Amino acid sequence: EDQVTQSPEALRLQEGESSSLNCSYTVSGLRGLFWYRQDPGKGPEFLFTLYSAGEEKEKERLKATLTKKESFLHITAPKPEDSATYLCAVQGGAGNNRKLIWGLGTSLAVNP
Amino acid sequence: DAGITQSPRHKVTETGTPVTLRCHQTENHRYMYWYRQDPGHGLRLIHYSYGVKDTDKGEVSDGYSVSRSKTEDFLLTLESATSSQTSVYFCAISESGAGGSPLHFGNGTRLTVT
Repeated sequence: EDQVTQSPEALRLQEGESSSLNCSYTVSGLRGLFWYRQDPGKGPEFLFTLYSAGEEKEKERLKATLTKKESFLHITAPKPEDSATYLCAVQGGAGNNRKLIWGLGTSLAVNP
Repeated sequence: DAGITQSPRHKVTETGTPVTLRCHQTENHRYMYWYRQDPGHGLRLIHYSYGVKDTDKGEVSDGYSVSRSKTEDFLLTLESATSSQTSVYFCAISESGAGGSPLHFGNGTRLTVT
């Protein structure tokens, strides 16, 4: 069964304290792994798409990496404005199958 | 923002009444989606559209219908609202149905069914 598990559920960091969020997945034929950021009362905001093991993408203090079983979102020297829920989703299947499997998210709080 | 407007932003309705949520996009994207987000369940796909008048069911479509008469508008209707449909509803769009095409979301409609 296709599945996405994110850990930890919640993470509290001090400003400047680097850490990583995990997204473990099982899917038939990975077509893309997505990271989103969601602020309270807002819709998810797209961050990255990763397609194959070994791929890495960066944006400001965020860096996403991908292996055959999991993805990490590394946060370097976080700031309070990085506080949000981070969602992971995977897309599998053949053809134009739009099936996205979502994780439950990691709620990140960065204290000043 | 990706040019997606959802209306209303908040709605309270009574059990058994019909409710229509609207999603309007200015990006001219072909694909549009309705999701619901509930604690402990994450995002779940209700219906999606791959063109004008072309729609298909998602994983939690029972009790919901959709319509898309114009590229820019995608309507979600709860025919007879139930308390289990209390949720936050998100509209999303994507440029393509190909693998890896990201979704862009609106800011949601918080629906409470009393």
